[in-house]
Amino acid sequence: GQQLNQSPQSMFIQEGEDVSMNCTSSSIFNTWLWYKQDPGEGPVLLIALYKAGELTSNGRLTAQFGITRKDSFLNISASIPSDVGIYFCAVMNYGGSQGNLIFGKGTKLSVKP
Amino acid sequence: EADIYQTPRYLVIGTGKKITLECSQTMGHDKMYWYQQDPGMELHLIHYSYGVNSTEKGDLSSESTVSRIRTEHFPLTLESARPSHTSQYLCASSERGGFGYTFGSGTRLTVV
Repeated sequence: GQQLNQSPQSMFIQEGEDVSMNCTSSSIFNTWLWYKQDPGEGPVLLIALYKAGELTSNGRLTAQFGITRKDSFLNISASIPSDVGIYFCAVMNYGGSQGNLIFGKGTKLSVKP
Repeated sequence: EADIYQTPRYLVIGTGKKITLECSQTMGHDKMYWYQQDPGMELHLIHYSYGVNSTEKGDLSSESTVSRIRTEHFPLTLESARPSHTSQYLCASSERGGFGYTFGSGTRLTVV
């Protein structure tokens, strides 16, 4: 089935550093989403991208929808301890019978104070 | 403020017991989902529903079953729990055709 390749798998950074993670696919998708899962909770939608080339910000978070529609990246500026968690990219699987989201395997972020 | 509720948050049970994990949402969403998440982080879709009386199996085979008798309620049942069922189970909902899934806080199940 269709897969999203998310990297890196994990990151250990110092508080105040900037973070960058990305997500790629072999197929074209028209909507890219980024979720964050805090420890012990369910994922929460951070940013949704609907247009190729679109750059969207949400506070210290910035996400871009790649021009080829096969990738997206998420940047976090000036990281703080509460940024700790797992970040998932996701796309809508219109192909096939499901019409459900496909999630990447996640990037686990750890922030050292 | 959560609009989707999962109970219990934590459950430790013995092998062979029947259990039901509850999931309810107050948003009137048509679609609901169950995901299994192991410590390795990846989210595996095990069941989903398009609406009342609709249930479908997801990408990952699961011995659990689900029902959707009411729009707001999507319980998951394990008839005979085994240690291999130990995992976190996340429930989610969305509007039909919507991209924004709302997740519950999850049930962490341990079968001993």
